[in-house]
Amino acid sequence: AQRVTQPEKLLSVFKGAPVELKCNYSYSGSPELFWYVQYSRQRLQLLLRHISRESIKGFTADLNKGETSFHLKKPFAQEEDSAMYYCALWLRGAQKLVFGQGTRLTINP
Amino acid sequence: EPEVTQTPSHQVTQMGQEVILRCVPISNHLYFYWYRQILGQKVEFLVSFYNNEISEKSEIFDDQFSVERPDGSNFTLKIRSTKLEDSAMYFCASSADRTNQPQHFGDGTRLSIL
Repeated sequence: AQRVTQPEKLLSVFKGAPVELKCNYSYSGSPELFWYVQYSRQRLQLLLRHISRESIKGFTADLNKGETSFHLKKPFAQEEDSAMYYCALWLRGAQKLVFGQGTRLTINP
Repeated sequence: EPEVTQTPSHQVTQMGQEVILRCVPISNHLYFYWYRQILGQKVEFLVSFYNNEISEKSEIFDDQFSVERPDGSNFTLKIRSTKLEDSAMYFCASSADRTNQPQHFGDGTRLSIL
């Protein structure tokens, strides 16, 4: 079954420290993965998509098919990074996104 | 930047009543979606819609739910007879095509069933 797992519901780091939000997926086909971010009282916003291999707001994510992971990383956390982060798998045939549970990231000053 | 807009932001309804949640997708998008998020749980897919038809629906999307694109701009989700367990945040999303184009989400409607 297609599934996205974010093992950490809560993650708290200090400003300036590295951040890694974990995401693992289960999917038999070629995965298309996304990270969405939801700042306080705002909409879900696309942060990254794996095919773009880009860096947004200092965040990067690399697809590791061997480990079925798509972890989100940032070398130096900033206070404005505090938000809810969702990893999502796009199921092309079913035309839907499957979301992980989300990780609430808190950056402490 | 164009946005998906949803109204109302918060809807309070008595159990058993009908409710309609409204969405205006991004104007050149062709694929429309509804997701919901029960408090403390993950975002779940409800339904996708293209060319005035439902493309896919989840097991959550039973006969109490329906979607419609009544005109060229609105996309609505109707719940015919609401239940307590329908209380959730409902998100509308749209995308330009059905490949891996990202879905753009609205702010959501918080539905509270009393």
